[in-house]
Amino acid sequence: EDKVVQSPLSLVVHEGDTVTLNCSYEVTNFRSLLWYKQEKKAPTFLFMLTSSGIEKKSGRLSSILDKKELFSILNITATQTGDSAIYLCAVDGFQGGKLIFGQGTELSVKP
Amino acid sequence: SAVISQKPSRDICQRGTSLTIQCQVDSQVTMMFWYRQQPGQSLTLIATANQGSEATYESGFVIDKFPISRPNLTFSTLTVSNMSPEDSSIYLCSVLTGSNTGELFFGEGSRLTVL
Repeated sequence: EDKVVQSPLSLVVHEGDTVTLNCSYEVTNFRSLLWYKQEKKAPTFLFMLTSSGIEKKSGRLSSILDKKELFSILNITATQTGDSAIYLCAVDGFQGGKLIFGQGTELSVKP
Repeated sequence: SAVISQKPSRDICQRGTSLTIQCQVDSQVTMMFWYRQQPGQSLTLIATANQGSEATYESGFVIDKFPISRPNLTFSTLTVSNMSPEDSSIYLCSVLTGSNTGELFFGEGSRLTVL
């Protein structure tokens, strides 16, 4: 059965800290891995990764994929309170657009 | 990208009633999906809304409980029928843009509370 597992499930840090969120997957077919940020209701797209070893970066956020070891990490440097959210990892397994989501990591950044 | 409008944004419903959620997209999209997110849980796909034909449901979801319409390429509805407290969730409409990329965009979600 295809699955996506995220760790940790929750994390509390202070502003300025750097965090690393983990996502591992086991899927029959792999097309891409996506990261989303969910603050209230709608997840917003962060990154899509398709190739191993190529870092995607957007401001203080970066992500990389390892297709050999079947995992991805999302790094957030110099965290701010506005980074507090649930971060979702999802895999596109060539199933007609269906994504398989992990449980999410709830990040709380304290002032 | 796509702008996706969902309504209602939230509602409180009585047990045994039904509620229809609407999803409007600002452009024509091929793929539309309905996800559910129960409290404290991640997203689970309910079904793929197919234009002009019956929706494709995931395991554990049936048409009688979650009837879906998709009359055109920009609009879809999801009905949650005969609701029970277990149906209290956020329901999210999502669309796939750029059919070769797999990038999903989500609507703002509809938070349903069933009493």
